[in-house]
Amino acid sequence: ETGVTQTPRHLVMGMTNKKSLKCEQHLGHNAMYWYKQSAKKPLELMFVYSLEERVENNSVPSRFSPECPNSSHLFLHLHTLQPEDSALYLCASSLAGGVTGELFFGEGSRLTVL
Amino acid sequence: QKEVEQNSGPLSVPEGAIASLNCTYSDRGSQSFFWYRQYSGKSPELIMSIYSNGDKEDGRFTAQLNKASQYVSLLIRDSQPSDSATYLCAVLGSASKIIFGSGTRLSIRP
Repeated sequence: ETGVTQTPRHLVMGMTNKKSLKCEQHLGHNAMYWYKQSAKKPLELMFVYSLEERVENNSVPSRFSPECPNSSHLFLHLHTLQPEDSALYLCASSLAGGVTGELFFGEGSRLTVL
Repeated sequence: QKEVEQNSGPLSVPEGAIASLNCTYSDRGSQSFFWYRQYSGKSPELIMSIYSNGDKEDGRFTAQLNKASQYVSLLIRDSQPSDSATYLCAVLGSASKIIFGSGTRLSIRP
C-alpha cells in the first residue's frame, strides 16, 4: 500500500447509526487532516492532528469525533448524523509538523445519511 | 467577501491553447499558495506551490503570484483533454489555516 488510504470508500447510514471512517498514510508524514467536501462548496477543514496531538478543531459538531492513535492512522467516528452531513470526507497528510498547504489526499469516503 | 475566490466556470478552452485560471484572496498576511487539480470522482492532487511574487514554471504549468494585488493564477500551456478537471486554489493564511476556493471547472475541447 502506498500514499493515503481511506476506508470505506462508500458508506450509507441511518441517523441513529454509529460508524467510523479510517485513514492510513504510508508516507512517513507527521500531520493528518479531515476535510469535508460538499457539492459546490469549498473544502472545509474539520480537524488537524500534528504529531498525534489535535491542533485544530474547526467548530465541528460533536457528532463527529476524531481519533489519532499514532502518526499513521486517523479515524473519524460518526454518530447521530444528519442528512446534511452527507458529503465526501477526505483524509490528508503532510510532512511538516506544523500546518502546511502541501497536502496528500486519500480517495475519500462518500457518506450518505438517510 | 469569500476568503479565497475563484470563478466556478466552466472554463472552456480549445486543445493546444493556454488555459488561464485565477484566484483572489482576502488575507494580506498569506504567505503560501497552492493549486490542486481534482478529476471528477477523485481526490485533489497538488500540482503547484508558490511562495514569492512572480512566476514559477513546472512543465506546461506556470503559477503567478502578485501579493500586492492579492491574486494568484495558474496558466496551462498547450492544453490537453487530460487537463479537464476542477482546479482548486488554496491559501495558507496568517492564522496558519489552509483555506480552499470552490474551484474552477476547466474543460478542454478537442
